[in-house]
Amino acid sequence: GAGVSQSPSNKVTEKGKDVELRCDPISGHTALYWYRQSLGQGLEFLIYFQGNSAPDKSGLPSDRFSAERTGGSVSTLTIQRTQQEDSAVYLCASSALAGGRSDEQYFGPGTRLTVT
Amino acid sequence: AQKITQTQPGMFVQEKEAVTLDCTYDTSDPSYGLFWYKQPSSGEMIFLIYQGSYDQQNATEGRYSLNFQKARKSANLVISASQLGDSAMYFCAMREYGNKLVFGAGTILRVKS
Repeated sequence: GAGVSQSPSNKVTEKGKDVELRCDPISGHTALYWYRQSLGQGLEFLIYFQGNSAPDKSGLPSDRFSAERTGGSVSTLTIQRTQQEDSAVYLCASSALAGGRSDEQYFGPGTRLTVT
Repeated sequence: AQKITQTQPGMFVQEKEAVTLDCTYDTSDPSYGLFWYKQPSSGEMIFLIYQGSYDQQNATEGRYSLNFQKARKSANLVISASQLGDSAMYFCAMREYGNKLVFGAGTILRVKS
């Protein structure tokens, strides 16, 4: 079946503008994760959704960042008043959480965000 | 303190030879999982192999094996019979206290023909 998809693949925005990044997880996967990959910081966890539970927002770097997951499927990561340090690749992943041993996370292709 | 340490920023290996990529970790959670992901230049993250903290045997997946030394808190990835297509960035990651992953800084592997 289809893998994790993300849109847009690239986004250039001006400092101070808001942006929305979208993630479509693998169908049936109950868990969805957002990570950020930047040159200086490597791969960082941002937020995690599991079913109907309250999301784990412990990795969000500031209150300018928020995310929601509608209907237990599609997720949108919103960055308000973007700053240049927000420039990075934003990766979405999903996992089945079906009780498997590894329950590996499957990653999307990412959205490359450039703030000018 | 770093949760995941990958001490090799870059590695070279001759085609068809084996290579070991180092990973050490730090956790107080008795139940954790260790993962290796491959990221080619195209950018996608590809899951390679998993080792659970209670697993008695080292994990293997085709040409990939994980040298798990629990007492030393190390989980090195061994790639046998390297191929040109193995050239990529490799990330070690740990899952603890829930399902989010903590990643190391990565190791760039270059396979020479």
